[in-house]
Amino acid sequence: DAGVIQSPRHEVTEMGQEVTLRCKPISGHDYLFWYRQTMMRGLELLIYFNNNVPIDDSGMPEDRFSAKMPNASFSTLKIQPSEPRDSAVYFCASSFSPRGAGTDTQYFGPGTRLTVL
Amino acid sequence: KNQVEQSPQSLIILEGKNCTLQCNYTVSPFSNLRWYKQDTGRGPVSLTIMTFSENTKSNGRYTATLDADTKQSSLHITASQLSDSASYICVVSVGISNFGNEKLTFGTGTRLTIIP
Repeated sequence: DAGVIQSPRHEVTEMGQEVTLRCKPISGHDYLFWYRQTMMRGLELLIYFNNNVPIDDSGMPEDRFSAKMPNASFSTLKIQPSEPRDSAVYFCASSFSPRGAGTDTQYFGPGTRLTVL
Repeated sequence: KNQVEQSPQSLIILEGKNCTLQCNYTVSPFSNLRWYKQDTGRGPVSLTIMTFSENTKSNGRYTATLDADTKQSSLHITASQLSDSASYICVVSVGISNFGNEKLTFGTGTRLTIIP
């Protein structure tokens, strides 16, 4: 398996623009997680899905952030409008967790480095 | 408030030496604790997952311990190699429902550098 795939790997955009990050989880995994990592705050969980349904979005910083998972093999994280403080590395991870989220190994993608000017 | 604190923030050791990283948490109700290794520019990779009933788990040269009474965990690296240079992140899960869903609390990590 190719592992978790994220695109783009790098994104540079100007403040106010819409940004869409994409993720393809490992086939057969039933959980998908979006994380953000910065030097100041470390790794933060933004939202996670179980069988394409959002379970916990309490980590989403504000209404400018939205995430969707239209099917088992694809998810997007959208920021509209983007701001310089959104600059970070965004990771997607997936797991197969029949006992519930957080109970099994999460496999992380390579991340998308977002820079908002 | 649920918190995970790691120490030291950074550590430099000679290749071949052993080292121990610490993780203290104030998370309740505890579900499990994980250690991740993150190489520069890459996503985290899971090293170990420990539940309440486990007090030690090994993965090659990595051995994690858990003391649920004192709410402390350590990650011991034996015979360090240059490839061990990375950040090590401790993550504690809080059980929030009977359906197994959990909330994750992250430490800020320990930056380990192995020098030849």
